[in-house]
This record gives sequence, structure tokens and C-alpha cells, in this order.
Amino acid sequence: TQLLEQSPQFLSIQEGENLTVYCNSSSVFSSLQWYRQEPGEGPVLLVTVVTGGEVKKLKRLTFQFGDARKDSSLHITAAQTGDTGLYLCARRDTGGFKTIFGAGTRLFVKA
Amino acid sequence: EAGVVQSPRYKIIEKKQPVAFWCNPISGHNTLYWYRQNLGQGPELLIRYENEEAVDDSQLPKDRFSAERLKGVDSTLKIQPAELGDSAVYLCASSDTAPPRNTIYFGEGSWLTVV
Repeated sequence: TQLLEQSPQFLSIQEGENLTVYCNSSSVFSSLQWYRQEPGEGPVLLVTVVTGGEVKKLKRLTFQFGDARKDSSLHITAAQTGDTGLYLCARRDTGGFKTIFGAGTRLFVKA
Repeated sequence: EAGVVQSPRYKIIEKKQPVAFWCNPISGHNTLYWYRQNLGQGPELLIRYENEEAVDDSQLPKDRFSAERLKGVDSTLKIQPAELGDSAVYLCASSDTAPPRNTIYFGEGSWLTVV
């Protein structure tokens, strides 16, 4: 059972365009993580956000944690073909031991 | 530093046959996870080990799945007998420090197709 809803499920854009993907839940997160999974690889952690309203930047990627800690967004500026992959958000359970993933947004950036 | 190593990368078997996957975590990582990722979905936890102890196996289908982590290092995940619905990517991961700040490092996965 996926407790996190990610949207859109699939996104195909041209190189140079901007995009935003979303992660939502009806529950409050203690922390939220974003991973990127390239084809044929395992997921790789991009960022962890823990404070409501927190904004983190990783080069052209901007991650925002909602004020109520129920949602998060990932914005990519000037997408490149190397950004192609599956973007997964994940939350930790109360004890922090179990990481629960959303179904992901599959991004394809065309040259 | 070597990452999480898994083998085999790809496996195609007929239904009802057994299959086993092997994982070598990052050196020094006490926590080891096995996840299953179905097509178009995110990974779902099957089992978590702290050293050699399975501390969370609530999602492991115990009628056909088994796992072990002898000596608290390498781990194997076995399916016997395999069913068509077991076709998925089986991801092994490991982490070092305690939550909530621990980072989970994934292997490349073992891709299973059951025909």
C-alpha cells in the first residue's frame, strides 16, 4: 500500500524546460526524502527535509517541504537529458526505521 | 568505497522453480534491507536486519520467501517456489548510523522474471 501520492505519474518535456513534481499525504511527515532512480539502477538519495516550510537547493533542483509537513515538491530548472529518471519521495515511519516510498514520477527529458 | 553489491543482476526462471539473490552491503553497515520494486511502483520493504537479527519481516511472504544474514554481513533472499507475480526488481540496501538521520544506500537490484 502506497501512503504517498506522487504526481504526475509520467512527465515528458524538452531539454531546457522547467518542471515541478509533487508528493502528498493525508498524514504529517516527521521527515521526507527525495530519491532519483535511473534506469537499471537503485534509488539514490537526493535530499532529506525535516522542517515545515524548509527549502533546499541542489544545483538546479529545488525541494520544498510544506508548512504543515504533509506535502513536498521538487522543482527542476532548465531540465537536462541527464535528469531523466524516476523521482521517488519517501517518508520515515515514527521510529525512523522504515522508509515508505511513493510510486514515483517518471521523467523523460528529450534533447 | 564499494557500494552495495548484488547478484545476479538478471534472472529468468520458470514458475515453481527456486531462486536466490545475494547481497554484500557496504563495509561497516549494520543495517541491511531487502526491498521489492514492481514495475511502475516504488520499492516496498520485505525485511530489515540489524546485524544478523531480522527486526522487521512483517512484509515478507513467509510461505515462499526466506532470508538470512549469517555473521551479520552478507545476506541472501530466497523464493521457493516462484510464482508469476514475483516478477520484480529485488533491491538490497544498507545503512550505517541510526535513524532518523541515516542514509540508505541501494544496490543496482536483481531483476527477476518468472515465466
